[in-house]
Amino acid sequence: GQSLEQPSEVTAVEGAIVQINCTYQTSGFYGLSWYQQHDGGAPTFLSYNALDGLEETGRFSSFLSRSDSYGYLLLQELQMKDSASYFCAVSSGNTPLVFGKGTRLSVIA
Amino acid sequence: DSGVTQTPKHLITATGQRVTLRCSPRSGDLSVYWYQQSLDQGLQFLIQYYNGEERAKGNILERFSAQQFPDLHSELNLSSLELGDSALYFCASSVRDTPYEQYFGPGTRLTVT
Repeated sequence: GQSLEQPSEVTAVEGAIVQINCTYQTSGFYGLSWYQQHDGGAPTFLSYNALDGLEETGRFSSFLSRSDSYGYLLLQELQMKDSASYFCAVSSGNTPLVFGKGTRLSVIA
Repeated sequence: DSGVTQTPKHLITATGQRVTLRCSPRSGDLSVYWYQQSLDQGLQFLIQYYNGEERAKGNILERFSAQQFPDLHSELNLSSLELGDSALYFCASSVRDTPYEQYFGPGTRLTVT
């Protein structure tokens, strides 16, 4: 089966940088995705890494190391509106997408 | 707005009953996915349909079933409901070759009393 580990909660200061880590165990790995979900809202797609390295999209970047079964989401210049839950998810051969339990990010002033 | 629609937004029903949740994918998306989200279990993949056919199955109970119609909308049927079925049910859609990039509907909050 598949399993993903990510911290349950992270707190960071407005304007700072925060990194949310994700380690995974799966067979037939295709790639690692990240989703954001605000309270009461639906998950929204942020990024996808199929290859090793860093992908940057505005203030958000995502990193993958396939050899270490590890990835992270980096959020820069944090804003209050970034307070949300962030999920890593793996695509593998048997299941389209398996989600981690999510990291609740609180941005404080 | 993701372009995925779900109805109803809220549903309150009693144990033992049956309900149907409806989803319309984004225009052009052939794949539809159903998820259950509860506080203690996170986002659990239930089932995927692609162009009318079942493509992948996750942790879907036998009491639950789904289908995708020729117009690509999908329905999730939940029967013999139990208190533990209370959760948020999301539908998502994607282009077939990009299951990693899914677009989620607003969800249906089911409360079983």
